[in-house]
Amino acid sequence: ETGVTQTPRHLVMGMTNKKSLKCEQHLGHNAMYWYKQSAKKPLELMFVYSLEERVENNSVPSRFSPECPNSSHLFLHLHTLQPEDSALYLCASSQGQGDSYNEQFFGPGTRLTVL
Amino acid sequence: AQTVTQSQPEMSVQEAETVTLSCTYDTSENNYYLFWYKQPPSRQMILVIRQEAYKQQNATENRFSVNFQKAAKSFSLKISDSQLGDTAMYFCAFMLPNTGNQFYFGTGTSLTVIP
Repeated sequence: ETGVTQTPRHLVMGMTNKKSLKCEQHLGHNAMYWYKQSAKKPLELMFVYSLEERVENNSVPSRFSPECPNSSHLFLHLHTLQPEDSALYLCASSQGQGDSYNEQFFGPGTRLTVL
Repeated sequence: AQTVTQSQPEMSVQEAETVTLSCTYDTSENNYYLFWYKQPPSRQMILVIRQEAYKQQNATENRFSVNFQKAAKSFSLKISDSQLGDTAMYFCAFMLPNTGNQFYFGTGTSLTVIP
């Protein structure tokens, strides 16, 4: 596979469930991101990992827990979510940091519904 | 605060015609990168065009071009000879270097190309 892949594509869960979203990038990038996309809102950056270290956490509730075991994989562990957490969760990756142009490549997203 | 404003939630254009999507942004930084991303109904977001803020020349990619007005903090996207495949959500974004590649996105414009 090429590019950025995400599984599952759709997920329905109850508020007491624990689930995980998976993202994999096949581009050799060293930075990965989780975004939340809700209707009529800007994309919300949740977490940034660079060289497998978390460099950004935008005040995300602790019921979302990211994990980056290596530069190609990124997980988002979910537990005791709320209905307002229902959204499209997008993963992205990019190469490098610093004062240079770094396009982000996006995955297809996981459509999450919390009942 | 860094913000991106897309004032047109929905737009439509006749096939083969030209349409312009507006975007304004706010940042106190002088060095940044600007992007337009396209998200078709299948949901995978892809880059349409990019612009370095230090370049005065407007970027062009085939039928897509931008009108970058740095002083006005405006970054509009022009799509010429619109095609049915251009139907999608379009997101304007900018990125500040040296911030972990953090992107700031607008709320998007839903473009429909009418046959």
